[in-house]
Amino acid sequence: AQRVTQPEKLLSVFKGAPVELKCNYSYSGSPELFWYVQYSRQRLQLLLRHISRESIKGFTADLNKGETSFHLKKPFAQEEDSAMYYCALRGGAAGNKLTFGGGTRVLVKP
Amino acid sequence: GAVVSQHPSWVICKSGTSVKIECRSLDFQATTMFWYRQFPKQSLMLMATSNEGSKATYEQGVEKDKFLINHASLTLSTLTVTSAHPEDSSFYICSARGPRSSYEQYFGPGTRLTVT
Repeated sequence: AQRVTQPEKLLSVFKGAPVELKCNYSYSGSPELFWYVQYSRQRLQLLLRHISRESIKGFTADLNKGETSFHLKKPFAQEEDSAMYYCALRGGAAGNKLTFGGGTRVLVKP
Repeated sequence: GAVVSQHPSWVICKSGTSVKIECRSLDFQATTMFWYRQFPKQSLMLMATSNEGSKATYEQGVEKDKFLINHASLTLSTLTVTSAHPEDSSFYICSARGPRSSYEQYFGPGTRLTVT
């Protein structure tokens, strides 16, 4: 079965500090991995996906198949980054379904 | 951009009654929509995959007779919670697969259901 684990429920950092959200997955094939973000009182939206290898809002994430990880990083956190972040996996066994991690709440303090 | 709406945004109903939640793709056609449930401070749990013109595929442990899903058109899927009980109180979120890409899901704002 595929599974996504986000070990940290809450990350609190000061503005300007680096932030790293951990995501580990278990999947027997080649997964597609995503990070979704949910700002306060807003809907869930896609932040980035591993295939694109892009940086969105200063965030990057690298897929490490050896460690089965897809950690999300930003070198200098901003207050507007405060939100819930969900790591998600889509694999062949589950078709087009997304399996979400438990989520990490990021709080960026001034 | 691709926008997904849900109606109502919140609803309160009495135990034993049924309530219908609508999910619409406003500016694109969605052959596949997904229904999730989210408990407070928890992640999204997929309930079912809704395919236009065919029966929904339910996840293990989800009662299909209790959570009726209808995807009668390319822009509308409905979730009906039948004979609701207080334990059905939750945040229900739908998403639709995007118009051109096969990977992105666009999420609705969610519907908060409270069963008294």
